[in-house]
Amino acid sequence: GNSVTQMEGPVTLSEEAFLTINCTYTATGYPSLFWYVQYPGEGLQLLLKATKADDKGSNKGFEATYRKETTSFHLEKGSVQVSDSAVYFCAPNSGGGADGLTFGKGTHLIIQP
Amino acid sequence: EAEVAQSPRYKITEKSQAVAFWCDPISGHATLYWYRQILGQGPELLVQFQDESVVDDSQLPKDRFSAERLKGVDSTLKIQPAELGDSAMYLCASSLAENRPQHFGDGTRLSIL
Repeated sequence: GNSVTQMEGPVTLSEEAFLTINCTYTATGYPSLFWYVQYPGEGLQLLLKATKADDKGSNKGFEATYRKETTSFHLEKGSVQVSDSAVYFCAPNSGGGADGLTFGKGTHLIIQP
Repeated sequence: EAEVAQSPRYKITEKSQAVAFWCDPISGHATLYWYRQILGQGPELLVQFQDESVVDDSQLPKDRFSAERLKGVDSTLKIQPAELGDSAMYLCASSLAENRPQHFGDGTRLSIL
């Protein structure tokens, strides 16, 4: 089955700092890759996705590139804000008809003003 | 507010009792998923439906858990009997089709006493 390794945390940064959250995965087949975010007191929200090698997903200033050769999908943002404080989950799907997501443990991001 | 509806939001029950969760997916979404999220971890897939058929229930503890989606719309997840280790957030998600982004409900938080 699939597995995901991502930075745990908490990761604490100052506002306007550059953010990288590393994610590597193992998967059978050819998965699509997703980043989900969970803000305090809220449910999981899709942040961005990529469906094939070298695709770049982007949303709200966040970006991640599907790197098939390194099986990675690192999340980046050039200048974080306090409102980005949340838990971030990397998740490949199974790439076939049974396409449930395999989530990492999540990275708790804290942005200080 | 999430578009995938789940109820109840919270459930407290004693071990050995039966408990049931309900999910109403986004209208028109053929694929429905149930996940379990233990505090501090990422969600784990329990079961996936395509319309009324089970696509993947390999991680569902079938001795005590059951899930159904009789008319291919809403779904019920049941635990009988509940155990202390079942305390978790139970999340429902839906997607338009296979390999499309999954949209999550706010979940049901289950506490077993």
